[in-house]
Amino acid sequence: GAVVSQHPSWVICKSGTSVKIECRSLDFQATTMFWYRQFPKQSLMLMATSNEGSKATYEQGVEKDKFLINHASLTLSTLTVTSAHPEDSSFYICSAGRPGGDQPQHFGDGTRLSIL
Amino acid sequence: LAKTTQPISMDSYEGQEVNITCSHNNIATNDYITWYQQFPSQGPRFIIQGYKTKVTNEVASLFIPADRKSSTLSLPRVSLSDTAVYYCLVPYSGGGADGLTFGKGTHLIIQP
Repeated sequence: GAVVSQHPSWVICKSGTSVKIECRSLDFQATTMFWYRQFPKQSLMLMATSNEGSKATYEQGVEKDKFLINHASLTLSTLTVTSAHPEDSSFYICSAGRPGGDQPQHFGDGTRLSIL
Repeated sequence: LAKTTQPISMDSYEGQEVNITCSHNNIATNDYITWYQQFPSQGPRFIIQGYKTKVTNEVASLFIPADRKSSTLSLPRVSLSDTAVYYCLVPYSGGGADGLTFGKGTHLIIQP
């Protein structure tokens, strides 16, 4: 069954709107979760690392004021795309790894964001 | 970070065994080898992970030679539903604690 749940799976909204995406680890506590973005016919690109109880760390070129990440509990991280514009339209995917060594990351099913 | 190289695309037919080889010449001691499958508009799905020799689960096998500079994902008796993009990664300590770097992956197309 699913290990990581992501919601919503699909969002369409007007330019200038802020959109929140939730990512939950279902059967384990995740002190660290990850957010990726994927454009059509391209590979996943890591955007940021979400750290429970502290600030997220962003990859180079990702605007932290544009993509707000909150990791308030050990099972929930949220990504808010603020004042979204059409160029923010993409497929956003979160992931988490089970605690302990030698564990792979598990991914959510992604959120398709379309900004009109 | 160790880079991986894999074929951009492969074709096969239903019922065949498919082997996808990945090159990772700069793999480090603590790196694992992990394979994911991705269908359109879905998140990557974990297939298999190994460190050395051979690993087998209910969906695939992973063959890793002694020098660990390459690996081969083997999918037995593929079906049309195995058409997907397959990513080979070499994450540190399995990948649970660090963000992953995805390459272009291998687009596998299965024909009837």
